[in-house]
Amino acid sequence: ETGVTQSPTHLIKTRGQQVTLRCSSQSGHNTVSWYQQALGQGPQFIFQYYREEENGRGNFPPRFSGLQFPNYSSELNVNALELDDSALYLCASSKGLAGDNEQFFGPGTRLTVL
Amino acid sequence: GQSLEQPSEVTAVEGAIVQINCTYQTSGFYGLSWYQQHDGGAPTFLSYNGLDGLEETGRFSSFLSRSDSYGYLLLQELQMKDSASYFCAVRFDSNYQLIWGAGTKLIIKP
Repeated sequence: ETGVTQSPTHLIKTRGQQVTLRCSSQSGHNTVSWYQQALGQGPQFIFQYYREEENGRGNFPPRFSGLQFPNYSSELNVNALELDDSALYLCASSKGLAGDNEQFFGPGTRLTVL
Repeated sequence: GQSLEQPSEVTAVEGAIVQINCTYQTSGFYGLSWYQQHDGGAPTFLSYNGLDGLEETGRFSSFLSRSDSYGYLLLQELQMKDSASYFCAVRFDSNYQLIWGAGTKLIIKP
């Protein structure tokens, strides 16, 4: 059974640029959640995709958007990057909606915005 | 608003028992989860409490009291590998948003 994978592992961008992060969910999982984790803090919920539909969103601006594909893999897109967007971005997959079910996390993408 | 509080750091001795508390303020509470995260690693699921009471999984147990808006994670027979950050996370409403605490860094001394 393949676990959750994310790409790229590290990324450096400059302010104003756009970035796309990718996540492959674990086999048999239909839900992907995305989190932003700043150093020394807990993960902040960005949004969740369940069967290709957004189902739940945290307090993030619209420039954070996502997609889930028929194979349940997912993308996180961030437009107009700001310095504060520098963080570890984690995706997690689960069988069913997060909060009720165990989530399996990928290793994360470390984004640095200069 | 919705918030969770947990201690920022706890220190314990190898072989001992430690309890990490989590209190929350919310409406529409649905369940409390616990995750472990080692430095540089991804969070891993430990337990979930949807109802009041104690859930036991090996050396780890988790407790929930919805009337007190309070839960805790109990780690027994501490091992050095248990040194990590522990997060409580709560599903508050039907939006399925999972709110996480700031984490408790557990330091284990030999």
